[in-house]
Amino acid sequence: AQSVSQHNHHVILSEAASLELGCNYSYGGTVNLFWYVQYPGQHLQLLLKYFSGDPLVKGIKGFEAEFIKSKFSFNLRKPSVQWSDTAEYFCAVNAGYSTLTFGKGTMLLVSP
Amino acid sequence: DAGVIQSPRHEVTEMGQEVTLRCKPISGHDYLFWYRQTMMRGLELLIYFNNNVPIDDSGMPEDRFSAKMPNASFSTLKIQPSEPRDSAVYFCASSLSQEVGLTGAETQYFGPGTRLLVL
Repeated sequence: AQSVSQHNHHVILSEAASLELGCNYSYGGTVNLFWYVQYPGQHLQLLLKYFSGDPLVKGIKGFEAEFIKSKFSFNLRKPSVQWSDTAEYFCAVNAGYSTLTFGKGTMLLVSP
Repeated sequence: DAGVIQSPRHEVTEMGQEVTLRCKPISGHDYLFWYRQTMMRGLELLIYFNNNVPIDDSGMPEDRFSAKMPNASFSTLKIQPSEPRDSAVYFCASSLSQEVGLTGAETQYFGPGTRLLVL
């Protein structure tokens, strides 16, 4: 079965700092990869997803993620964070079936 | 589309009571998922349906939990009897398998969740 590991449980940054959230998955076959964001008190929303092609995926709100197959990684990045990016971020993997396996999430706090 | 709709948004109940959570998926979606989110365990898949048929309920914690999908536009998750350790946020999500052909990957769309507190 696939699993997803997010390295950081909590990240604190100042506004304008660059962000990189780590995500590693374990599965030997073809995968689809997702990043979801959950703003305080809200539901999960899709940030971006990868299924094939260019390993650098661009999502909403200036986020991007790079799929590195050799490292089983799908790290999320943003060059300059804003206070409004304060949220919990979830990496998820879908290994050809309809179910998603989520990581435990990373809570990002951006201080103004 | 209004997105995935869940009700109630908040539920406070006493131990031993029956709790019923409701979900209306996005119209036309053929998959429906129930998740539970807690601080300790994160997001856990409880059960999912395809075309109203339960496919995998291995995530349902115990027999006190049951889920039904009587039609394509409605699903319930029931806890009977409820216990304090069931306190969590319960999310419903839906997806469209045909999206794979359009965008390459099926996306799950989440509802706002039901925050359940069992005293």
